[in-house]
Amino acid sequence: KAGVTQTPRYLIKTRGQQVTLSCSPISGHRSVSWYQQTPGQGLQFLFEYFSETQRNKGNFPGRFSGRQFSNSRSEMNVSTLELGDSALYLCASSSPATNYGYTFGSGTRLTVV
Amino acid sequence: KNEVEQSPQNLTAQEGEFITINCSYSVGISALHWLQQHPGGGIVSLFMLSSGKKKHGRLIATINIQEKHSSLHITASHPRDSAVYICAVPSLQTSGSRLTFGEGTQLTVNP
Repeated sequence: KAGVTQTPRYLIKTRGQQVTLSCSPISGHRSVSWYQQTPGQGLQFLFEYFSETQRNKGNFPGRFSGRQFSNSRSEMNVSTLELGDSALYLCASSSPATNYGYTFGSGTRLTVV
Repeated sequence: KNEVEQSPQNLTAQEGEFITINCSYSVGISALHWLQQHPGGGIVSLFMLSSGKKKHGRLIATINIQEKHSSLHITASHPRDSAVYICAVPSLQTSGSRLTFGEGTQLTVNP
């Protein structure tokens, strides 16, 4: 059974650019949540999507957005990148079938220069 | 005060030692998660528990709902156990999935 797949694994962008990250959940999982991990702030919740609808949102500026497609794959977008956006971005999928246990992807490491 | 607090932040042990990592939380929860993160970033879910105790191999997780406290124990520790261990709790104030994380415990097991 395939796990949660995040692409790309590594990304280098320049300040002011935008970036799109992708997350493919485990087959059958309809909930996808996104997290940002930085050395200073640790792991922080970004947002969660369920059946193509944003169900929860963390305390991040509007430059951070996301969406979910009908096949449950999710993308997150960061516009007007800042140096402080450099982080590991992780997604996780969950399902009532697994009692809402989480399966995490390997993450996308974004470096903004 | 953070909603989820872990101790210790760093832990160094010799191979074979018994290890305990603690997690305290201040909010009502439906379940608590213990996660493991190796260098490189990938996170593995170790346990999800809402009461009592769970065991998987050399790892044991316990939770006391009344005291809002959970512990992760590693018996007969091994250098391959070296990783960051993170506890996380879901928010009861919103529907769906929203985890709040502890700061993590960096465990180093020396041979």
